[in-house]
Amino acid sequence: SQTIHQWPATLVQPVGSPLSLECTVEGTSNPNLYWYRQAAGRGLQLLFYSVGIGQISSEVPQNLSASRPQDRQFILSSKKLLLSDSGFYLCAWQTGSEAFFGQGTRLTVV
Amino acid sequence: AQSVTQPDIHITVSEGASLELRCNYSYGATPYLFWYVQSPGQGLQLLLKYFSGDTLVQGIKGFEAEFKRSQSSFNLRKPSVHWSDAAEYFCAFGAQKLVFGQGTRLTINP
Repeated sequence: SQTIHQWPATLVQPVGSPLSLECTVEGTSNPNLYWYRQAAGRGLQLLFYSVGIGQISSEVPQNLSASRPQDRQFILSSKKLLLSDSGFYLCAWQTGSEAFFGQGTRLTVV
Repeated sequence: AQSVTQPDIHITVSEGASLELRCNYSYGATPYLFWYVQSPGQGLQLLLKYFSGDTLVQGIKGFEAEFKRSQSSFNLRKPSVHWSDAAEYFCAFGAQKLVFGQGTRLTINP
């Protein structure tokens, strides 16, 4: 079956610390993979998307980066977190008319 | 460039009243279209989707949406809302990438 795993569910990190959020998918091959951020009371902002291994498109300039080392793995990273990186991060995959979302990671930078 | 717009940031309706949430997209062809709902602190739940065929799509929880190519719209409707429908609603568009509208927050008056 098609599933998506995203972890951790919550994370509290100090300013200046590194970040690594991981997302893996099952039940599909060569999906489009996405990272979104949702700030408090705001909509879903597309951060990165990937159409294949090693192919990353960045939608907005920011303090974050993404990598896709394997077909079903998508990683969101930062070398030094900022307060403004706080938010709800969602991983998703899409193939055609199917789209699935992870449960999200609530990141609080303190 | 592809984009999706939800013109209404916040809508308030009375319980039992009808509802229509607007969604417009910009793309040169027919995209995949989705409506998602997000309750406070929760992830995204798919209400319905359209990719071809009948332009009136039935979804879960009594929602439906109509794809109108001439208007580039995919509006969400419900004949009679319930207090539990209060949430954030997102229209999404999938062509080259999966992009979300800004969201519409729905408040239900008793």
